Amino acid sequence: NAGVTQTPKFQVLKTGQSMTLQCAQDMNHEYMSWYRQDPGMGLRLIHYSVGAGITDQGEVPNGYNVSRSTTEDFPLRLLSAAPSQTSVYFCASSPDRAGAEAFFGQGTRLTVV
Amino acid sequence: AQSVTQLGSHVSVSEGALVLLRCNYSSSVPPYLFWYVQYPNQGLQLLLKYTSAATLVKGINGFEAEFKKSETSFHLTKPSAHMSDAAEYFCAVTSDAGGTSYGKLTFGQGTILTVHP
Repeated sequence: NAGVTQTPKFQVLKTGQSMTLQCAQDMNHEYMSWYRQDPGMGLRLIHYSVGAGITDQGEVPNGYNVSRSTTEDFPLRLLSAAPSQTSVYFCASSPDRAGAEAFFGQGTRLTVV
Repeated sequence: AQSVTQLGSHVSVSEGALVLLRCNYSSSVPPYLFWYVQYPNQGLQLLLKYTSAATLVKGINGFEAEFKKSETSFHLTKPSAHMSDAAEYFCAVTSDAGGTSYGKLTFGQGTILTVHP
């Protein structure tokens, strides 16, 4: 059982480049989320989805786009990378019930130069 | 709105000593509370969670936490630290506001635990 799979694990971008961080889960969870982790700031929610075709913004959505065409996949797109987007990105999924835990991927370490 | 504050960004203990990591939360509706652990270069792993069934919650690796509504706290403890406990620990909250509140976690800033021999 793979759980939540993120690719790539590491990425270096130049300012202005675009890329997509991939996230897939095989647990048939309704909820999927993207967080970014920065030192001393914990994890902050970027975007989330409560099901295929439904997405919404989190705390820090600027500069990122998402879509959810299937239950399994929830890609995060950076349209024009900026140095401020240098961070570790985590994808998570959870089932649709009160108090359910979130399951996290292994993270993508992104550096924008 | 909800928020989490972890007191102390770094905690250092000796092997065998008590571990106490502090977490205070703010939530306008009944909260669900979680402690996650992150080992270097890895994702987050659930240690334990509070979902209103019992105020004292036991988790993996000998950790436990007590929900105190009057103090809005959910501190994490372990009676005897092991070297393998060295990691970063995150307290998180979500709420029973229904619908899209599930799965939207608000995290504290994290506490790095160092264990000395």
